Amino acid sequence: DTGVSQDPRHKITKRGQNVTFRCDPISEHNRLYWYRQTLGQGPEFLTYFQNEAQLEKSRLLSDRFSAERPKGSFSTLEIQRTEQGDSAMYLCASSLGSVREQYFGPGTRLTVT
Amino acid sequence: GESVGLHLPTLSVQEGDNSIINCAYSNSASDYFIWYKQESGKGPQFIIDIRSNMDKRQGQRVTVLLNKTVKHLSLQIAATQPGDSAVYFCAENRAGSSNTGKLIFGQGTTLQVKP
Repeated sequence: DTGVSQDPRHKITKRGQNVTFRCDPISEHNRLYWYRQTLGQGPEFLTYFQNEAQLEKSRLLSDRFSAERPKGSFSTLEIQRTEQGDSAMYLCASSLGSVREQYFGPGTRLTVT
Repeated sequence: GESVGLHLPTLSVQEGDNSIINCAYSNSASDYFIWYKQESGKGPQFIIDIRSNMDKRQGQRVTVLLNKTVKHLSLQIAATQPGDSAVYFCAENRAGSSNTGKLIFGQGTTLQVKP
């Protein structure tokens, strides 16, 4: 399968714990995006990388959130001191050139208890 | 402010009929409008986009119409099939010097296709 992959698919954690998600984009895609989606809502933009450079961050991305793409390939999204409000689906997407046509992964569903 | 929204949360159509999904937007500065389809348990999938200087664009079985006067966007699906059942989102993107990667999504319309 050459699509965008995300790991883990599901994560249950207790409030206050740290979690890290991984995204592997489509090979050779230079752009990588993170979104958050809650039930019944559209995805909300979190951050965007072009190669290894983080070019844009949403105000939704508080200081508890950090994202990296160290070698311009896979990316990680870490949430520190998780809160119940962090419970959501975290989606990763990638694209080559076009920002409009993004290829999404299946997401990581986070549940904070 | 930024807002992209859809008129109806759920649309139910008979298999074989045409479907029309609507979207209203408020930001006139957007350069592109995009439609995504999200099936249950999957991430969104790109369908079609339209640049703001166009009124209509056709794809395979889909047509997107843009009315900038009333800030309205629609997705028409011809001969709707069971596989079209999904949540449909409109989204917008502002290109230009900022080179933003940000897509702003609306809330989504659930399309149900009855056999």
